[in-house]
Amino acid sequence: TQLLEQSPQFLSIQEGENLTVYCNSSSVFSSLQWYRQEPGEGPVLLVTVVTGGEVKKLKRLTFQFGDARKDSSLHITAAQPGDTGLYLCAGFNNAGNMLTFGGGTRLMVKP
Amino acid sequence: DVKVTQSSRYLVKRTGEKVFLECVQDMDHENMFWYRQDPGLGLRLIYFSYDVKMKEKGDIPEGYSVSREKKERFSLILESASTNQTSMYLCASSWGLRTLTQYFGPGTRLLVL
Repeated sequence: TQLLEQSPQFLSIQEGENLTVYCNSSSVFSSLQWYRQEPGEGPVLLVTVVTGGEVKKLKRLTFQFGDARKDSSLHITAAQPGDTGLYLCAGFNNAGNMLTFGGGTRLMVKP
Repeated sequence: DVKVTQSSRYLVKRTGEKVFLECVQDMDHENMFWYRQDPGLGLRLIYFSYDVKMKEKGDIPEGYSVSREKKERFSLILESASTNQTSMYLCASSWGLRTLTQYFGPGTRLLVL
């Protein structure tokens, strides 16, 4: 079974601060995704990264896939209270039909 | 918009009861998935199905079974519920093999007493 470890597990910051969430594995993934989940809802896909070294930006969120396709990071610039939620990384196996999820990072952004 | 619905948002059952969790998607997706979500463990795949009447075990299938008689509906069955099956259960669907986007339902929070 491929494992993904996320850090930190919890993060509480003030509005306007920057933060980075990490997703690490000893396994190689064919692609990796980041989701955000709000209370009482299912996860919603934010981004998929496919190529080693790839960087994608979504407004204030920057996602990076490691060169070796074993790790990824999510950087949020100038966090806002609306960014509050559970952030999950997930990697696809080589067959592309199964996702392995990390444990999640619970982010709270205080106004 | 893709819509994945789950039959119940909250369920309370007793140990030993048979429990059915239903999931319906309205976008003619080939693949459907059942996950459970526990704090600090993320989502763990229980079963998935890539076609009607087809099923594949995920990482934690023990104590669960599934049924997919129609393309739009995927059921998760707990034959004899136990307290360690108390969890949030999430259903998801996607277009086909190697399709990277999964769409999730809102989840069913199950409490087994």
